[in-house]
Amino acid sequence: ETGVTQTPRHLVMGMTNKKSLKCEQHLGHNAMYWYKQSAKKPLELMFVYSLEERVENNSVPSRFSPECPNSSHLFLHLHTLQPEDSALYLCASSQDRRTPRSGNTIYFGEGSWLTVV
Amino acid sequence: QKEVEQDPGPLSVPEGAIVSLNCTYSNSAFQYFMWYRQYSRKGPELLMYTYSSGNKEDGRFTAQVDKSSKYISLFIRDSQPSDSATYLCAKGAAGNKLTFGGGTRVLVKP
Repeated sequence: ETGVTQTPRHLVMGMTNKKSLKCEQHLGHNAMYWYKQSAKKPLELMFVYSLEERVENNSVPSRFSPECPNSSHLFLHLHTLQPEDSALYLCASSQDRRTPRSGNTIYFGEGSWLTVV
Repeated sequence: QKEVEQDPGPLSVPEGAIVSLNCTYSNSAFQYFMWYRQYSRKGPELLMYTYSSGNKEDGRFTAQVDKSSKYISLFIRDSQPSDSATYLCAKGAAGNKLTFGGGTRVLVKP
């Protein structure tokens, strides 16, 4: 148990559906992240939030829409996805956005497995 | 050239052997590194982080950094079947972002 909880763990959705992934961290952290892990590809950073403000969007298509209502919760809203968006979506958090030199390590949740049909 | 590269494996070793994992990187900025372990269908779990050249030990795990060669290694002593997983190396960047290698799958056979 890393203190980062993601729901649902598994999601199957059609290309015309709208769904959301939820992440909650119980670590008192101020930075939260969405990563994508596709088969045979490295983990890719999608979005970064710091103190509820989006500070990074790594050229992610607009069919992915993040939301951070407070420092403990992060959502990823999904709509009109494509089959190639099927992947493991990982939420992560860290104390802040300073380098890990200060022990600011990044903790991951268990991930949400998304299948788009 | 990918910023962080790992051999995908699989790397198969007998129980009790030393597992040796390697990673190369291309960008010399923000030279701090992490090793994560990821079991099948689970999220990555941090094993070690290091930012200096040389060795860092934590139990059965030793992380090694050679900045002159841009090469990082993870050694697992006395490997156990429970060490069977994918091992991800990651390099830090500004804003506490991480660039990951593709991971090396390890299988420790009883």
